[in-house]
Amino acid sequence: GENVEQHPSTLSVQEGDSAVIKCTYSDSASNYFPWYKQELGKGPQLIIDIRSNVGEKKDQRIAVTLNKTAKHFSLHITETQPEDSAVYFCAARNNAGNMLTFGGGTRLMVKP
Amino acid sequence: DAGITQSPRHKVTETGTPVTLRCHQTENHRYMYWYRQDPGHGLRLIHYSYGVKDTDKGEVSDGYSVSRSKTEDFLLTLESATSSQTSVYFCAISDLGHYGYTFGSGTRLTVV
Repeated sequence: GENVEQHPSTLSVQEGDSAVIKCTYSDSASNYFPWYKQELGKGPQLIIDIRSNVGEKKDQRIAVTLNKTAKHFSLHITETQPEDSAVYFCAARNNAGNMLTFGGGTRLMVKP
Repeated sequence: DAGITQSPRHKVTETGTPVTLRCHQTENHRYMYWYRQDPGHGLRLIHYSYGVKDTDKGEVSDGYSVSRSKTEDFLLTLESATSSQTSVYFCAISDLGHYGYTFGSGTRLTVV
């Protein structure tokens, strides 16, 4: 089955700096890669996603890049703010069904 | 989270007792999932459903069973709770043609 590795597990940045979280996946047939943000005591929420026929997608301060050849994708957050502090999860869609396999998560801390 | 609710939000139970967690959706989505979240492991799939009475196992299904008798309800049962099943449980939904999940707010289960 699919295996998704996520790094780093924790990331601390100063407010205003950029943050980058990286994920690798194992199944070359995976075709959908979402990112979720989880705030304390809440369920994960979808913040951005990318499909395998696209190399990059941006939405205001966040962007996701995909390298299908290397089987890795990354989340980029620019001009970080304290409210960006949360746990972020990457995921890959298993092509055998409508299922997502998640990475282990990254705890992002933005220091004011 | 709009359209999906989990109950109870918190539960403490004793080892060896059966426990049932409920996920209820008002979105009429076809797919429903149960994940558990543990530190260092991210989100791991327990069971999923692709329609009424259609369910299948995920990667960590041992000790769990599920039922879906109506589109809107997906029940997760721990047959005989063990301390290793102490975790936060999330339900998620998705629909045909929409790869992203919507998550519930989670159930924190403690087995003592």
